[in-house]
Amino acid sequence: NAGVTQTPKFRVLKTGQSMTLLCAQDMNHEYMYWYRQDPGMGLRLIHYSVGEGTTAKGEVPDGYNVSRLKKQNFLLGLESAAPSQTSVYFCASSPHRYEQYFGPGTRLTVT
Amino acid sequence: GNSVTQMEGPVTLSEEAFLTINCTYTATGYPSLFWYVQYPGEGLQLLLKATKADDKGSNKGFEATYRKETTSFHLEKGSVQVSDSAVYFCALSDETGANNLFFGTGTRLTVIP
Repeated sequence: NAGVTQTPKFRVLKTGQSMTLLCAQDMNHEYMYWYRQDPGMGLRLIHYSVGEGTTAKGEVPDGYNVSRLKKQNFLLGLESAAPSQTSVYFCASSPHRYEQYFGPGTRLTVT
Repeated sequence: GNSVTQMEGPVTLSEEAFLTINCTYTATGYPSLFWYVQYPGEGLQLLLKATKADDKGSNKGFEATYRKETTSFHLEKGSVQVSDSAVYFCALSDETGANNLFFGTGTRLTVIP
């Protein structure tokens, strides 16, 4: 039982490049989330999903897109990366509304 | 709206010292409250939770009591260990149906032998 996994662990992008971050969970959870963590700002919600085929915007959705085609996967896309998107990205999943399980994070640097 | 204010760090304590990390919140409705811990290089782990007023959450020697009258959820531990060194996040649940958590900015704790 791997829990929540994230791919890749590290990535460096140039401004304007695109990429997709993959989150996978093997706990059969309905809810999944993408956060970004920046120094002094805690975690901020980017997008979330309450079930397969559904997505919704969080607090800071601009510049990101997501998809939840399969229940166990939640993808976060950056179409045109900007330096302001340099951050650590965390995925989480939840079996019900409030208790969330986090992945190990992806450290993204945009130059 | 919903927000969480945490005690600013960093906090440095000697082993076996008493720990308090303050957390206050603003919320509509009756949120659940959480403390998460992040060890170096890892994701967040749920440490404890409380779902209604006067509930006490506890785990691994840590405790926090949901105080509605003071809108607080302070984290305490009687005797910290070096292995408790981590960043601690207070969070509250979104009661508007969006199923989300609002996090504080985190407090870094370092315990020295």
